[in-house]
Amino acid sequence: GAVVSQHPSRVICKSGTSVKIECRSLDFQATTMFWYRQFPKQSLMLMATSNEGSKATYEQGVEKDKFLINHASLTLSTLTVTSAHPEDSSFYICSASMGPEQPQHFGDGTRLSIL
Amino acid sequence: GNSVTQMEGPVTLSEEAFLTINCTYTATGYPSLFWYVQYPGEGLQLLLKATKADDKGSNKGFEATYRKETTSFHLEKGSVQVSDSAVYFCALSLYNQGGKLIFGQGTELSVKP
Repeated sequence: GAVVSQHPSRVICKSGTSVKIECRSLDFQATTMFWYRQFPKQSLMLMATSNEGSKATYEQGVEKDKFLINHASLTLSTLTVTSAHPEDSSFYICSASMGPEQPQHFGDGTRLSIL
Repeated sequence: GNSVTQMEGPVTLSEEAFLTINCTYTATGYPSLFWYVQYPGEGLQLLLKATKADDKGSNKGFEATYRKETTSFHLEKGSVQVSDSAVYFCALSLYNQGGKLIFGQGTELSVKP
């Protein structure tokens, strides 16, 4: 149980394109979802926390207009990287939990490459 | 502030060797502690956890004990396998932080046959 599906797993696109990444909880209701960014050989950096039906809470230094997060239902959250540039290339990982104090279950990540 | 420090990798071991990956933490409250594992190109999987002092988490032959006196949560396994090769992350979460996880920098483990 507690499966999180993240899509797409890999995307390559041109600079200036907007890219949407989906995170779905398949067998549970995720009231809280988290979005992370991971650089090669480094740890995960929390970008934002989203609770269903409310605005995401962004970590310091993360541009909310650049990384748009929507958590419209209990099973789906999306991260849109707007007007992506090469420096946005990274591995993005989502996680979902049944509540703020419940364990997080991670998706398999999305490898984003901006040319 | 709250932080997690892990021993630097990569750690290279022969199959059936004993594994220890050190993890220490700094926290303003009473954290829950976790070990996650990440296989190449994948997300993270929860390996084990402990929610209070002296708790021992265990799974798939791995174990770690929550030591409040030394603020540590070292990961151990008695006999590693090639399939254990991955990156291991120690993490903490605090009750009043909405479930946010604070990760260590990760330790890469490579097990040779």
